[in-house]
Amino acid sequence: ELKVEQNPLFLSMQEGKNYTIYCNYSTTSDRLYWYRQDPGKSLESLFVLLSNGAVKQEGRLMASLDTKARLSTLHITAAVHDLSATYFCAVVAGANSKLTFGKGITLSVRP
Amino acid sequence: NAGVTQTPKFRVLKTGQSMTLLCAQDMNHEYMYWYRQDPGMGLRLIHYSVGEGTTAKGEVPDGYNVSRLKKQNFLLGLESAAPSQTSVYFCASSYATSKSKNTEAFFGQGTRLTVV
Repeated sequence: ELKVEQNPLFLSMQEGKNYTIYCNYSTTSDRLYWYRQDPGKSLESLFVLLSNGAVKQEGRLMASLDTKARLSTLHITAAVHDLSATYFCAVVAGANSKLTFGKGITLSVRP
Repeated sequence: NAGVTQTPKFRVLKTGQSMTLLCAQDMNHEYMYWYRQDPGMGLRLIHYSVGEGTTAKGEVPDGYNVSRLKKQNFLLGLESAAPSQTSVYFCASSYATSKSKNTEAFFGQGTRLTVV
């Protein structure tokens, strides 16, 4: 059974500093997604990573995928308050492409 | 562009009552999913469907039933609601892997269900 782990589960960030959060998973997959969720809202797609070594960047966020290590990282450059949210990674596995989510990482940016 | 639409958005049920949550998508996606979200638990898959007329159990299927009679609709039923089913429910849809390697799931706005 596929397990997706995210750490840390909560991260307090200082404005202007850089941080990295992690997502690792237990079985072979070459598809990983990052979503953002604001309180009381639905999930918004951030990145789709489809192959080993894939790197995607959007603004202050950069995501990468290492399928051999079964690990994805989300790097935050110069954190700003607008990045405060919960970030989920999700992995596709199995013949029917079940999408399995991690528990999410809640980021809080303080001045 | 409707995308994925969930009905209703809020509902309060008494223990033992039944209800059906409707998910409709207009993107011609083959796959549809029902998740529940509880604090600290992330999103857990209840049931999913890979095509019209097919359904399968996810991680937490007990107490729920589903049907996919039409490709665009995926219904989630609670036959006898329990307080443990108080949660936020999300529906999602995606393309099949046979048609696209990008199986990104698109989410509805969620249904906040309270069982008292």
